[in-house]
Amino acid sequence: QKEVEQDPGPLSVPEGAIVSLNCTYSNSAFQYFMWYRQYSRKGPELLMYTYSSGNKEDGRFTAQVDKSSKYISLFIRDSQPSDSATYLCAYMDTGRRALTFGSGTRLQVQP
Amino acid sequence: DTGVSQDPRHKITKRGQNVTFRCDPISEHNRLYWYRQTLGQGPEFLTYFQNEAQLEKSRLLSDRFSAERPKGSFSTLEIQRTEQGDSAMYLCASSLSGSGTDTQYFGPGTRLTVL
Repeated sequence: QKEVEQDPGPLSVPEGAIVSLNCTYSNSAFQYFMWYRQYSRKGPELLMYTYSSGNKEDGRFTAQVDKSSKYISLFIRDSQPSDSATYLCAYMDTGRRALTFGSGTRLQVQP
Repeated sequence: DTGVSQDPRHKITKRGQNVTFRCDPISEHNRLYWYRQTLGQGPEFLTYFQNEAQLEKSRLLSDRFSAERPKGSFSTLEIQRTEQGDSAMYLCASSLSGSGTDTQYFGPGTRLTVL
């Protein structure tokens, strides 16, 4: 079983839609949770960072963590064509500095 | 703050050749990381430095791979006797310890193609 499972997509939505992206994980040692966005042929850029269960909001983005279910989500409100990218969930446990990434979900927002 | 830079951006080489990549972290960031990303996958951790000390290495980092950070600033990643399976994007990231979140900021990557 992979440590992190993420639906690869592609996910295609119309402009203005609410997008829901999800990851599940199996490693109970994961304590820090991140979402990165990666445009084609670019490096990943950090969108959201959280270390506790619950919701964290930043503009149009909301990250949700449920440690009991080992499930994290990223919601994008009022999606824009510029949001078209691959979204990677990432985890870090307290004992290490290495990030463990999901395989990424490719999102396309149609104008 | 100019961000993490990597050089070269693209490298094409023949199987069996040696290649070296360079990473310049965000100034004053004392932690530096190398990851590898293949098509359709997320980045996979290779190794991590705090200042000049290499503190963690993945089992993915075979004997053909060596990374250095001699003065605690820039870092190099060398691959000896390249194989076609080494074709990937090599990403560098940096972070500042004690900054709370220890957020890793990524560079644009070096895309390696082994023919």
